[in-house]
Amino acid sequence: DIQMTQSPSTLSASVGDRVTITCRASQSISSWLAWYQQKPGKAPKLLIYKASSLESGVPSRFSGSGSGTEFTLTISSLQPDDFATYYCQQYNSIWTFGQGTKVEIK
Amino acid sequence: EVQLVESGGGLVQPGRSLRLSCAASGFTFDDYAMHWVRQAPGKGLEWVSGISWNSGSIGYADSVKGRFTISRDNAKNSLYLQMNSLRAEDTALYYCAKGAGYSSGWPGDYWGQGTLVTVSS
Repeated sequence: DIQMTQSPSTLSASVGDRVTITCRASQSISSWLAWYQQKPGKAPKLLIYKASSLESGVPSRFSGSGSGTEFTLTISSLQPDDFATYYCQQYNSIWTFGQGTKVEIK
Repeated sequence: EVQLVESGGGLVQPGRSLRLSCAASGFTFDDYAMHWVRQAPGKGLEWVSGISWNSGSIGYADSVKGRFTISRDNAKNSLYLQMNSLRAEDTALYYCAKGAGYSSGWPGDYWGQGTLVTVSS
């Protein structure tokens, strides 16, 4: 099975900061990677699919990059609404999620 | 508007069974794969099972293989998860998620609010 490893597990940042989260796959998944945002008590929300495609309605400050085994999610200027937990997911072979990255207020 | 409404969760004793349902609306149900994803209290997301648009392709996580069965009724716009031989480690919020395409090779673009399953004596 494909394993997904995110780093860091927790990230402390301030409004306006540029934030980068990394996700590594245990084997190549081409570009079959998605990123989700989850807030407490809410369902996950799809942000990015196919590694770099922005889901409709998602602010352009979110961007994704990478292919093969290394991927990143970047928030160009962190907004108050962005404090949440972020998960990467591979969908090349069934689904596997990373363990999550909590973005908290510094 | 896409809506996914899960039901069937509750408190159940170890070794017993439970059947979850997901009622879908707002899209052509039989055009898309569907999935169950769970989240234990305070933990991350774990994919449980997925089913293609026509039930021709089904997959399970190793942790539930042989105990859980996913199914769908396209005439009723509904997804199901039959959970047998439940264990304490199956305690979680169970989400129903719509795949963005007809097979499991697509991410989940809509999610329900979840139904809580608690396995305890």
